[in-house]
Amino acid sequence: DVKVTQSSRYLVKRTGEKVFLECVQDMDHENMFWYRQDPGLGLRLIYFSYDVKMKEKGDIPEGYSVSREKKERFSLILESASTNQTSMYLCASSVNRNTEAFFGQGTRLTVV
Amino acid sequence: AQRVTQPEKLLSVFKGAPVELKCNYSYSGSPELFWYVQYSRQRLQLLLRHISRESIKGFTADLNKGETSFHLKKPFAQEEDSAMYYCALKGANQAGTALIFGKGTTLSVSS
Repeated sequence: DVKVTQSSRYLVKRTGEKVFLECVQDMDHENMFWYRQDPGLGLRLIYFSYDVKMKEKGDIPEGYSVSREKKERFSLILESASTNQTSMYLCASSVNRNTEAFFGQGTRLTVV
Repeated sequence: AQRVTQPEKLLSVFKGAPVELKCNYSYSGSPELFWYVQYSRQRLQLLLRHISRESIKGFTADLNKGETSFHLKKPFAQEEDSAMYYCALKGANQAGTALIFGKGTTLSVSS
């Protein structure tokens, strides 16, 4: 079974804090993704990576950055958290040339 | 622009009734389309994709390029089908692997 694990289910952070969301996959997948999921807006792509140290902006990269130093780990960084970044964050991975994406359980981030 | 439209936020049906969740897309070229499902308190998971042409849990979806649609259908809804359903499109970016999702439709099946 493919496993995509996000380090936290729930996080509460203060406005202005630097926040790290971690995601690890155990199936040697080339591609990893970060989405945010909001009611009425669906899933929106923040960033994705198709190789170590490679990254591409998605539809809503503002206020976020990412890091992929190792193939199995993809981190999402909120440089200075704001209340409008309160959301559910989903990490996903997929094998190159296999288009099915496997999702983590999600991290619900609340910024106060 | 690449876009996925799910016109219904909520679809409520009775058990045993037919279900059709609508999905329309905008894409230049040959699309790859998917349906993902998220049951309560579970992670998002693939339900089916058009290239497989398979039926999963009684659901089917046919790609209609003329109408740019990929509607999800089931002849007889079950209560366990209640979930959030997302239609997704494989986008043409540099790596060609990022999925573009619609806003989702909540399916509620009651007895």
